[in-house]
Amino acid sequence: DQQVKQNSPSLSVQEGRISILNCDYTNSMFDYFLWYKKYPAEGPTFLISISSIKDKNEDGRFTVFLNKSAKHLSLHIVPSQPGDSAVYFCAASGRGNQGGKLIFGQGTELSVKP
Amino acid sequence: NAGVTQTPKFRILKIGQSMTLQCTQDMNHNYMYWYRQDPGMGLKLIYYSVGAGITDKGEVPNGYNVSRSTTEDFPLRLELAAPSQTSVYFCASSYSRGGLYNEQFFGPGTRLTVL
Repeated sequence: DQQVKQNSPSLSVQEGRISILNCDYTNSMFDYFLWYKKYPAEGPTFLISISSIKDKNEDGRFTVFLNKSAKHLSLHIVPSQPGDSAVYFCAASGRGNQGGKLIFGQGTELSVKP
Repeated sequence: NAGVTQTPKFRILKIGQSMTLQCTQDMNHNYMYWYRQDPGMGLKLIYYSVGAGITDKGEVPNGYNVSRSTTEDFPLRLELAAPSQTSVYFCASSYSRGGLYNEQFFGPGTRLTVL
């Protein structure tokens, strides 16, 4: 049972435009969500996160939106740059004993074309 | 800081062989994790540790063992390698267990093939 889903395996965007990566989750006990970026032959690196008490978090060109009623989050990258081309994973963690255990989505491969 | 380091980078095993994947972190993190990533899939948690001497199972622990004798090291042991264990293995560490400081730092991965 996939608790965190990224339904788009790939996304192609023109340089300078907005990239929107989507993620859905099923477990209402998740209270913290993270986005990781992964280049080939490297480990994932943390990008941005959001707590369930917020609906938006910004960090430079990256903004994460959380819609708890829809159990949906999205990552917006504006403007997109060729160096943003990578695989993006969303991840979720729960409270208490479940804290620290990240559940990952399948990933979306973003390609930003010059 | 080197962060999280993993050795080896690549390994080919025969069915039934055993090996240990090494993981070391120099950030003094109490929490450490082992994940595997199969092609086209997300990362799945194998085992994790909340401190030296304390380990617990994740989503997919079968076929693996771990130990945590020091804060820095968290080796993953495969006792009887099977083709289903062909995967990329990532070790990670974090400052805290959840919430605001749950950012996990990942190593570069070990690509394992079992033939």
